Amino acid sequence: GAVVSQHPSRVICKSGTSVKIECRSLDFQATTMFWYRQFPKQSLMLMATSNEGSKATYEQGVEKDKFLINHASLTLSTLTVTSAHPEDSSFYICSARGSAGGPYEQYFGPGTRLTVT
Amino acid sequence: QKEVEQNSGPLSVPEGAIASLNCTYSDRGSQSFFWYRQYSGKSPELIMSIYSNGDKEDGRFTAQLNKASQYVSLLIRDSQPSDSATYLCAVRRGGNSWGKLQFGAGTQVVVTP
Repeated sequence: GAVVSQHPSRVICKSGTSVKIECRSLDFQATTMFWYRQFPKQSLMLMATSNEGSKATYEQGVEKDKFLINHASLTLSTLTVTSAHPEDSSFYICSARGSAGGPYEQYFGPGTRLTVT
Repeated sequence: QKEVEQNSGPLSVPEGAIASLNCTYSDRGSQSFFWYRQYSGKSPELIMSIYSNGDKEDGRFTAQLNKASQYVSLLIRDSQPSDSATYLCAVRRGGNSWGKLQFGAGTQVVVTP
């Protein structure tokens, strides 16, 4: 299957600071990337969908000014959590899907565990 | 009614037996169906995709799709302790369209030695 990487895998930051998470598709061009958040023992929650070169589409209830998403190339998307607070501590997972020529399946990165102190 | 429904489990399966997981969905326009495996503390891993009615086999896994009944299932043959995980059913409207996945809550599978 296709490979999606994410960096960093873990990050601890202080309340009020910003954190950037990178997501890369390593062996395919990701036309569409997704960002999810998952709290312990809960389901995946889609935060936003981004298409390369376009503004991200955020799910209802997700603050677009707090969770900045950039999908500047077909292999890279970034999520910046601005002015992080302890309630933002979670497991953030990106996912990527190709276009014509595939893959049409959606592949997940390994995730980033964010802890805000 | 949830868009994608799965039994939460846990589903306890003896080692070597067949694990049978079920998933129903409400959107008749759904055309793409996926099973993901998620180990505790890890991200989901795609194990099967199915787009047409019938069975699709890949190693010890078989996915079954019945669009008329809006039902998709996953069989795990010769279950191993390493199969213990949460299995997520995901559904997408359209084949090659850009729709987002709708996930079920997942079924926890526990394979006992």
